[in-house]
This record gives sequence, C-alpha cells and structure tokens, in this order.
Amino acid sequence: KQEVTQIPAALSVPEGENLVLNCSFTDSAIYNLQWFRQDPGKGLTSLLLIQSSQREQTSGRLNASLDKSSGRSTLYIAASQPGDSATYLCAVVGDNYGQNFVFGPGTRLSVLP
Amino acid sequence: GAVVSQHPSRVICKSGTSVKIECRSLDFQATTMFWYRQFPKQSLMLMATSNEGSKATYEQGVEKDKFLINHASLTLSTLTVTSAHPEDSSFYICSASRGVAGGLHQETQYFGPGTRLLVL
Repeated sequence: KQEVTQIPAALSVPEGENLVLNCSFTDSAIYNLQWFRQDPGKGLTSLLLIQSSQREQTSGRLNASLDKSSGRSTLYIAASQPGDSATYLCAVVGDNYGQNFVFGPGTRLSVLP
Repeated sequence: GAVVSQHPSRVICKSGTSVKIECRSLDFQATTMFWYRQFPKQSLMLMATSNEGSKATYEQGVEKDKFLINHASLTLSTLTVTSAHPEDSSFYICSASRGVAGGLHQETQYFGPGTRLLVL
C-alpha cells in the first residue's frame, strides 16, 4: 500500500528566503507525482506535475524534482513571498491501472513579511 | 482549461438531515469523478470513484449507504450525505477526469473548489 509523507509538517520563513519541501513515497511504481497548493478552506491548485519518466519540472519560482528509485520528490520555492503562504501537498498516482491519488499530509508554509 | 465547480461551497445543517453536494465539469465531459474528504489537519482521502452510468466504487471504510454517489451524466456527479452527524463535518472535494478509472491511461484529474460541511 502506497504511503506518502511530507517533511516538515510546518515551516515559517522570512520573505525572500529560498526553501525546500520534501515528499517521500513508499512504492516507487508511480505513474506521476503532483504538487498542489491548498489555501485555508479552499480547494486544490495544481502547481507541478512530474511524469515518472521525468526528473524535474519548473514553473516560475517553483521547481520540483523526482527521484523515483529512492521514492523522493522535492519542491523548491525561490525568493519566497507572503502570498506563498499555504499548505503544500504532494500526491502520487500509482502505476497500476485504476489507482488513484494518494496524498501526503502536507506542509504548512508561512512566509513572513 | 478544464473547470470543475462544486455547489454549495459551504453548508451548515442539523444532525440527522441529508445534504447533497454537486460536482460539475463545466467545459468537458467527465467520464470519471472522484470524491475526497479532508478532516482538519489531515490529508485528503479518497472516498469513492464513479464512472458515468455505473455504480460508484467505495474505498475501504466508507459507508456506501451513508454517502450516496450519483454520476448520471458526463458533467454532473452528486454526493449525498445521508443522516449527517457532527463527525461528518469535513471538507469534501471532487475531481473529474476524461478517462475511465481502471483504464489503460491515467488521465489528469481536475479538482473542484471544495465544499465545507458543518453538521451541528
């Protein structure tokens, strides 16, 4: 059974810092991995999607890497801003047909002005 | 882009009543819809998967008689929480996909904005 963990559970940084969020998964047979952002009481916003054959994806100040063999992904946020404050979730989709998202518990990020 | 809406966004109800939550794909046909639940400070958990025109497949531990899912059309799925109790208070999120769950290809899921349910 796939399990996804995220470290740290919470993070508070001053504005402008670069930061790294970590995601680990137990079963390396994944189809893709996706990073989401969730604002309090709101739905999910997809940030980056990495296919199992890819090693990284970039979008603006965000960069996500994937090391499938070791079961790890990192989300790098450059030059953090107060507007980046949110909970960041990673989720994997298994390689087996019909397997759905398995979400990590999230990292709650606060960027202080 | 693919847009998924949910209605209502927030609902407060009395214990024992039933609540219906709608999930619509606005600009594409959603062959498959997924329902997730998120309790405070916990991760999203998949509740059930439904393919249009078929009965929903529920995850272990989710009562199918309590959480009724209807996916009668390619653009609408409904989740009805029957005889809601305070412990059902949660954030419910749906997602929709063009692909068929269990099919050969994993299609992108598009998430709705969520519905916050509070049962008093």
